[in-house]
Amino acid sequence: EVQLVESGGGFLRPGGSLRLSCAASGFTFRNHWMHWVRQAPGKGLVWISDIKHDGSSARYADSVTGRFRISRDNAKNTLYLQMNSLRAEDTAVYYCVRGGDGYSFDFWGQGTLVTVSS
Amino acid sequence: DIQMTQSPSSLSASVGDRVTITCRASQSISSFLNWYQQKPGKAPKLLISAASNLQSGVPSRFSGSGSGTDFTLTIISLQPEDFATYYCQQSYISYSFGQGTKLEIK
Repeated sequence: EVQLVESGGGFLRPGGSLRLSCAASGFTFRNHWMHWVRQAPGKGLVWISDIKHDGSSARYADSVTGRFRISRDNAKNTLYLQMNSLRAEDTAVYYCVRGGDGYSFDFWGQGTLVTVSS
Repeated sequence: DIQMTQSPSSLSASVGDRVTITCRASQSISSFLNWYQQKPGKAPKLLISAASNLQSGVPSRFSGSGSGTDFTLTIISLQPEDFATYYCQQSYISYSFGQGTKLEIK
């Protein structure tokens, strides 16, 4: 059974930093692109970053470029998101997502809440 | 950036109804269109990829169609568990989602 379990969310002040982790199991992690998608309270889904299966390439949404960094450890089956210079508008549930066929997002973690507030 | 626009934003329907949700892309995206279902407090679930490819385990009452800029998600004979929010997503250039369609019980 595919499982993606996020951790690391919490409450912090604007300007702070946080690292999210996503532990993957039930599939061959190193074979899949992985993504982070976020959802602000009561709002829609927003893709923010992805990373190639071998970690050699990463992309970011404009809203987080220069502040967030995605990475992965294929030996540990874990995806990361380092978030710096956090803003109130970064408040959201962050989902770890597996890339599937046809560039779809075929499995999602349960999400971890990040709250940025003064 | 490719903008995705869903209509309607909300929809009331009854069990047994047939409903159609439309998604329009701001430019052609071929068939790089996916549909997701999200229930309150839960993660989204992939229903359909590549415009019309029903995912394993998804009931056959769900179907998708379209190509280019205009796409539809159709649910025939609505069941109680189908009341949720539905999102389309393009994966042609980067990724972007529609704003969602909330399907509510009439």
